[in-house]
Amino acid sequence: AQTVTQSQPEMSVQEAETVTLSCTYDTSESNYYLFWYKQPPSRQMILVIRQEAYKQQNATENRFSVNFQKAAKSFSLKISDSQLGDTAMYFCAFMRQKLTFGTGTRLTIIP
Amino acid sequence: GAVVSQHPSWVICKSGTSVKIECRSLDFQATTMFWYRQFPKQSLMLMATSNEGSKATYEQGVEKDKFLINHASLTLSTLTVTSAHPEDSSFYICSASPGVRSTGELFFGEGSRLTVL
Repeated sequence: AQTVTQSQPEMSVQEAETVTLSCTYDTSESNYYLFWYKQPPSRQMILVIRQEAYKQQNATENRFSVNFQKAAKSFSLKISDSQLGDTAMYFCAFMRQKLTFGTGTRLTIIP
Repeated sequence: GAVVSQHPSWVICKSGTSVKIECRSLDFQATTMFWYRQFPKQSLMLMATSNEGSKATYEQGVEKDKFLINHASLTLSTLTVTSAHPEDSSFYICSASPGVRSTGELFFGEGSRLTVL
């Protein structure tokens, strides 16, 4: 079974700064997807960024980028120029035939 | 992006009654739908996977007679919590996959908060 670990339960950063959320996973599969989802207080799950395991190039979506290290089974999320609206729970997730979530990191952006 | 609608968003019921939650994919056909449960300040735990026209596959520890899942069409899956008790109070979230055109991404409903008195 796949497991996803997020070692930072909570993080806070000043507005406009850069923050990195860590995620590691365990799998014997070679083809899979990795995601970062954001869950604001509304509880709606919002896709932040997606990475396909067979692609070596790190995914980027505007201020959000990942550092995907397949051999190390690491998938960290970097948020640049953080904004108040980035305050939320962030979940790392592994997808093969089903989506498995990490325990989450509560990120607070301080004005 | 694709839209998944979940209804009701909030429901209160008495202990011993049954509650049905609907999950609809509005603009795509969902060959597979997933049901998650989320306790306060915790992660999403997969309860079951449902494929259209077949029986749901439940995760270990999830009572299939307690949480009935039906996926009768390509756009609708339902979760029925039978004989609900206060410990069933939780936030339930569905997600859907468009199948063959899938990029691996799942689309999530807005969630349903169940409170059992």
